[in-house]
Amino acid sequence: SQTIHQWPATLVQPVGSPLSLECTVEGTSNPNLYWYRQAAGRGLQLLFYSVGIGQISSEVPQNLSASRPQDRQFILSSKKLLLSDSGFYLCAWNMLSGNTIYFGEGSWLTVV
Amino acid sequence: GENVEQHPSTLSVQEGDSAVIKCTYSDSASNYFPWYKQELGKGPQLIIDIRSNVGEKKDQRIAVTLNKTAKHFSLHITETQPEDSAVYFCAASIQGAQKLVFGQGTRLTINP
Repeated sequence: SQTIHQWPATLVQPVGSPLSLECTVEGTSNPNLYWYRQAAGRGLQLLFYSVGIGQISSEVPQNLSASRPQDRQFILSSKKLLLSDSGFYLCAWNMLSGNTIYFGEGSWLTVV
Repeated sequence: GENVEQHPSTLSVQEGDSAVIKCTYSDSASNYFPWYKQELGKGPQLIIDIRSNVGEKKDQRIAVTLNKTAKHFSLHITETQPEDSAVYFCAASIQGAQKLVFGQGTRLTINP
């Protein structure tokens, strides 16, 4: 069966510091991969998605970037964090031919 | 592009009563409608989905109905239990498209 892992689960970072959140999917090949952000008490905002290695689509202009160095690995990064980057970050995947998206357990980021 | 509106934003019901959450979508080409349940501090989990070739789908105490003409779909939870307390998200997409568009979420509280 397929599983998705993301880490770290929680992170407290000072303003201006870098960020790296990592996500891997197991048990499948060539998945679509996604990064979502969820501000406290809010809905799900799609940040990036990828249909293949090195292919990244950005949904909103922001202080973050994403990379897909391997088929089942998706990384969310920032060179300098802002207070507004605080939130709950969710990695997700689905099959190229399907619709159902499966989410990881999320990473809480607090920028102080 | 697609826009999904979800109501109500909060819902409180007595244990054992029914809960209904409604969503409307804007793109008549959308044909896949999943519902997710998100417990505190966790990633959303798919609980039920429906495709546009059916009008209703049931899974034990959960049911989803779809009205393509009116472009709305609803989640029905019967005989609610305390463990049903969570945030619920609806979503819509076009078959084969990479992205789901989510509603803003409904915080459901089951009162004992």
